[in-house]
Amino acid sequence: QKEVEQDPGPLSVPEGAIVSLNCTYSNSAFQYFMWYRQYSRKGPELLMYTYSSGNKEDGRFTAQVDKSSKYISLFIRDSQPSDSATYLCAMSNAGFQKLVFGTGTRLLVSP
Amino acid sequence: DTAVSQTPKYLVTQMGNDKSIKCEQNLGHDTMYWYKQDSKKFLKIMFSYNNKELIINETVPNRFSPKSPDKAHLNLHINSLELGDSAVYFCASSQGGGSPYSGANVLTFGAGSRLTVL
Repeated sequence: QKEVEQDPGPLSVPEGAIVSLNCTYSNSAFQYFMWYRQYSRKGPELLMYTYSSGNKEDGRFTAQVDKSSKYISLFIRDSQPSDSATYLCAMSNAGFQKLVFGTGTRLLVSP
Repeated sequence: DTAVSQTPKYLVTQMGNDKSIKCEQNLGHDTMYWYKQDSKKFLKIMFSYNNKELIINETVPNRFSPKSPDKAHLNLHINSLELGDSAVYFCASSQGGGSPYSGANVLTFGAGSRLTVL
């Protein structure tokens, strides 16, 4: 079993939809949770990060962490075709030295 | 001004050859990494260097040898290439990641080097 599980998709939605992307994990020591976005043929870029449980909002994006369930989510409101990309969750423990990634979910937003 | 740049972007070579990928960052970061992304998009850490010192060495065949001449550069040399080495190799850097008290460690990635072994 992988430390971090993520549905690879693809997830296809129409423009304007609310998108929910999720990851589950098994290591209870994880405390930092991040979402990276990767466009085709590009490197991943950080979208959001949160520490421990709770919510964080940035524009159309909201990240949620539920440590009791070992479950994290990224919500995208009013999705745009430019949001079409692969979204990778990533997490680490407090010691940090190693960031563990999910396999990524491919999102397709159609106009 | 590219923050993390790696060369070459594409590399096609025969099995058994030796090849190198170079990485440079101009962010002033202390820590640099090599990640491998397979065909299913799974991104896995290979190595991490902090101020030229190796701090993470995952279970990687010893045909892979990283070298960090200074904290702004981290190169990856691969000997005796095999078909299974075909992947995209990403270099990344971060300010933290070098000690147990670093806190959140935000990585900046390069654009990747796509290696195809025939």
